[in-house]
Order: sequence, then C-alpha cells, then structure tokens
Amino acid sequence: EAGVTQSPTHLIKTRGQQATLRCSPISGHTSVYWYQQALGLGLQFLLWYDEGEERNRGNFPPRFSGRQFPNYSSELNVNALELEDSALYLCASSRGWGVSYEQYFGPGTRLTVT
Amino acid sequence: AQSVTQPDIHITVSEGASLELRCNYSYGATPYLFWYVQSPGQGLQLLLKYFSGDTLVQGIKGFEAEFKRSQSSFNLRKPSVHWSDAAEYFCAVVLSGNTPLVFGKGTRLSVIA
Repeated sequence: EAGVTQSPTHLIKTRGQQATLRCSPISGHTSVYWYQQALGLGLQFLLWYDEGEERNRGNFPPRFSGRQFPNYSSELNVNALELEDSALYLCASSRGWGVSYEQYFGPGTRLTVT
Repeated sequence: AQSVTQPDIHITVSEGASLELRCNYSYGATPYLFWYVQSPGQGLQLLLKYFSGDTLVQGIKGFEAEFKRSQSSFNLRKPSVHWSDAAEYFCAVVLSGNTPLVFGKGTRLSVIA
C-alpha cells in the first residue's frame, strides 16, 4: 500500500509569490490534514479536510488556503509569501475523522522563501 | 492556557542505555495522548497512543509510555536505546474527535556509541 505522497519535495519562491503544495492520501483515506513545521516553532496545525469540506482551521492568516478534490487529494496554497513561511509542510491522511483514526504522515514539502 | 510541553530540547544517550522523554500537558480535561517519531527527511510515525484504561501503553520499536493523571504527564521510555533510535520525538494531544492534534515542540535524541 502506497503511503502519503507530497509534491514537490522542495520549493523555492520569492517573497510575494504564491506557492502550491500537493498531497495524495493513502487509498481509502478521506481525511487530509496540513501542518507547518517551522524552525523553533514545532508542528502547527494548518487545515483539515474531510470528504471535500474544510472541517477545521488553525491559527493562520487567510492567505493560507486549500482544497480537497473528489479523489481526496489535496492542495495547499500560500499567497503573498513571506520569509517566515519558510518551513516544512507536512500532510497527513486518515481513514476517517476522530481520535481512533491514526494519521499517517507524508515526507513533507520543504518551502524556502527568499 | 492549553499546552503541551516537552521540557528537553535535546537529549544524548549512549547506545544500550535507557531512555525517558518527558511530556506534560495542560488541559482542563484529560486529552487523548500520542507519541510520534520523525527520522531525518521523513514524515512522522506513530509510536503509541493512550485513550483510556491501562496507564502503561506499549508501542512499536520497543517503546512504552506511562500516563500519570496526577502529574499531567505522558513520558516515553525505552529500556535499551539503539543507534537507529536517533530522531526527533513529538508528544501530541487531542481533546476530542473534531479537534486537531496539538504537538509539543519536540525532543531531539542523539545516540552515541
């Protein structure tokens, strides 16, 4: 069974540009989560999608947005990039929502903003 | 304020020695508790979790954790560390089914010969 995949592996953008990160969940998983892992800040929850709908959102500005497609894959968009957006962005998926459903993580996309 | 604290940023242990990584939480109710491991260049992998019942839980790779309600702690232990255990370890909590995981800032484990 293939794990959670994310693309691209690395992404370099300049301040003010837009970045699009993609995530493919494990087959059969309907929930997708996005986390930001910035140096010194640990892992912070960004967004959660389930069955195509946004279920919850972390404390991030509106320029962080995303969506989930009918095949349950997801993309994260970051507009008007700022230097502090440089981080590892992790995607996770689960079979459903609720604490009993384990989240499986992808390897992440390293976003660098210059 | 609600929080998850991992007091140790970096720990170094000798191969074969025992290990304990600390995690404390500050919530009004007892949350659901998790430990994850992140190896370099990899995503996170779930080591173990506690929902209820026996306060000593066993996980993968020989890890165990003990929930202590009186101390609001969920410390991770391993009796004998292997060089391959060198990684970053994260404690995480969830309050309920429709709230997201909240992570501690992690503890980096180095293993020396």
